[in-house]
Amino acid sequence: DAGITQSPRHKVTETGTPVTLRCHQTENHRYMYWYRQDPGHGLRLIHYSYGVKDTDKGEVSDGYSVSRSKTEDFLLTLESATSSQTSVYFCAIRSEGKVQKTQYFGPGTRLLVL
Amino acid sequence: DQQVKQNSPSLSVQEGRISILNCDYTNSMFDYFLWYKKYPAEGPTFLISISSIKDKNEDGRFTVFLNKSAKHLSLHIVPSQPGDSAVYFCAASKAAGNKLTFGGGTRVLVKP
Repeated sequence: DAGITQSPRHKVTETGTPVTLRCHQTENHRYMYWYRQDPGHGLRLIHYSYGVKDTDKGEVSDGYSVSRSKTEDFLLTLESATSSQTSVYFCAIRSEGKVQKTQYFGPGTRLLVL
Repeated sequence: DQQVKQNSPSLSVQEGRISILNCDYTNSMFDYFLWYKKYPAEGPTFLISISSIKDKNEDGRFTVFLNKSAKHLSLHIVPSQPGDSAVYFCAASKAAGNKLTFGGGTRVLVKP
């Protein structure tokens, strides 16, 4: 358990509405990530952050924005949700061990866009 | 263009036998590889990793093998247990802990 929580855990919304997902961590990790999981695609990186106010795009960033105003929170926003954004969203942190740096995941948010 | 591929979407194995999961990659810049296990309605859980300077890493019942020339890695689970039934993802990165590229996953069913 890397001390990661995600909220909400489930959400149903309508096309065109904005949605914000929250990732919260308690262990002061510098790196945080947002992924989406879809059948046949594994997990794909949306955005990541390497510090407060420092973020960068991942593989599937179109239609998403992120913000990190404090170390413990990383927010993912769908500005205008579309049905193609129906997915399971996972947040991750990167450990800073000496031997290996591994990503650890939160429990996920299941989003349904109608 | 999938840079990391798991060509077997599913695998069924008898309890006590060996499970072998395979993963192929195309990007020669990848130098750190990981396996994750995922149960339904939970986040992926880190299992084991290997750096490109090694060809084998072992942790209990789990062993990962890396063949750099073939751009292929495999995960061996011996002996398989019913609790191992889950979806397994391989992942790769260009530097330890940097952005991960995942395969599509292999669903493993261990039969009692």
